Amino acid sequence: AQKITQTQPGMFVQEKEAVTLDCTYDTSDPSYGLFWYKQPSSGEMIFLIYQGSYDQQNATEGRYSLNFQKARKSANLVISASQLGDSAMYFCAMREEANANTGKLIFGQGTTLQVKP
Amino acid sequence: ETGVTQTPRHLVMGMTNKKSLKCEQHLGHNAMYWYKQSAKKPLELMFVYSLEERVENNSVPSRFSPECPNSSHLFLHLHTLQPEDSALYLCASSQDGWEESTDTQYFGPGTRLTVL
Repeated sequence: AQKITQTQPGMFVQEKEAVTLDCTYDTSDPSYGLFWYKQPSSGEMIFLIYQGSYDQQNATEGRYSLNFQKARKSANLVISASQLGDSAMYFCAMREEANANTGKLIFGQGTTLQVKP
Repeated sequence: ETGVTQTPRHLVMGMTNKKSLKCEQHLGHNAMYWYKQSAKKPLELMFVYSLEERVENNSVPSRFSPECPNSSHLFLHLHTLQPEDSALYLCASSQDGWEESTDTQYFGPGTRLTVL
């Protein structure tokens, strides 16, 4: 079974609108971390936001927020006020407590976001 | 230079060639990683180094040989590769606070490898 599932291969959003990118995860570890990365066409993976499994509040970083629903095992990324520069591939990733000795990240398949002017 | 740098950015090689990918991090981190990103597949972790010691080899074929001479530099030596090895190879580094789930990996721009 996939550990990280991103069900939206591609998404479109109008400039200045908000968009939600879905991510569900599967783990039996009580302690884990969830990450979102952005990958523009240049290839570099850019860290956006982090959510810990014990965090009581949803993480926010500027225009990025993470809608963390622990019982549903979902960690959706919300981008507010989309900009043309937000067009990129977005990856959800998880580190489980079981991988605490290697720092291993497990990535989803990614969602391509296209922002329309 | 800041962050994580990788050279070369693009590489084309024949199956009998030997080449090396280089990664350098300027963040003072203790852990470094190699990932492979193939088309339509999730990123695959290849190798992990912590304080120059390899702690993970994710069942990678021996034609890929990593080297970590110090905590700032990481190499991936390539020899007798196959066309299916064509991919984007990404290097990352982190503080190596693995007991804390907040340890964040920062990536370089990648090397786009094509094996003919």
